[in-house]
Amino acid sequence: NAGVTQTPKFQVLKTGQSMTLQCAQDMNHNSMYWYRQDPGMGLRLIYYSASEGTTDKGEVPNGYNVSRLNKREFSLRLESAAPSQTSVYFCANGGLGTDTQYFGPGTRLTVL
Amino acid sequence: LAKTTQPISMDSYEGQEVNITCSHNNIATNDYITWYQQFPSQGPRFIIQGYKTKVTNEVASLFIPADRKSSTLSLPRVSLSDTAVYYCLVGDPLESGGYNKLIFGAGTRLAVHP
Repeated sequence: NAGVTQTPKFQVLKTGQSMTLQCAQDMNHNSMYWYRQDPGMGLRLIYYSASEGTTDKGEVPNGYNVSRLNKREFSLRLESAAPSQTSVYFCANGGLGTDTQYFGPGTRLTVL
Repeated sequence: LAKTTQPISMDSYEGQEVNITCSHNNIATNDYITWYQQFPSQGPRFIIQGYKTKVTNEVASLFIPADRKSSTLSLPRVSLSDTAVYYCLVGDPLESGGYNKLIFGAGTRLAVHP
């Protein structure tokens, strides 16, 4: 079992470009999350999905959109990338009542 | 939302016991206390969770006083590989969506020296 996988691992964008970060889980958990982590900082929640077909804003949703395609996949889209979105992006999952979240390896995004 | 306060950094030496204290004065009745560990270039990893008194697993112990306004993560006999950032979080794991309202602060950077 791979757990939580993310693609790509690294990405460089120019300001204004768009891209989609992919996340997939094989753990059959209902909830999935997208976080960003800036250098030397803790994680901040961007969006989450409590179950297939539902999504909700987290702490820092501006500039992002998400899509919960099915129970397994949760994607994060940057429509028009800005330098302020340079960060490491982590996807995570966790089932209802679970006592932990499982995190993917992260995507390191640089916006020039 | 229950906020947490932790020391920004700590230093220790191999073989010592390390205690990291977290303050959470406005913890709610249904909130649990969870600690995560993060190594550079990796996502956080669950260490331990508790509600009250003491919890112990193969990695750490978690001490929670009766008023639950603080908690202490105890790492016995640390090694160089325990150098990481440690996050204290509070939240209700039984709420719909799991930990969707968790807030990761800046954490505590633990440096273990030879």
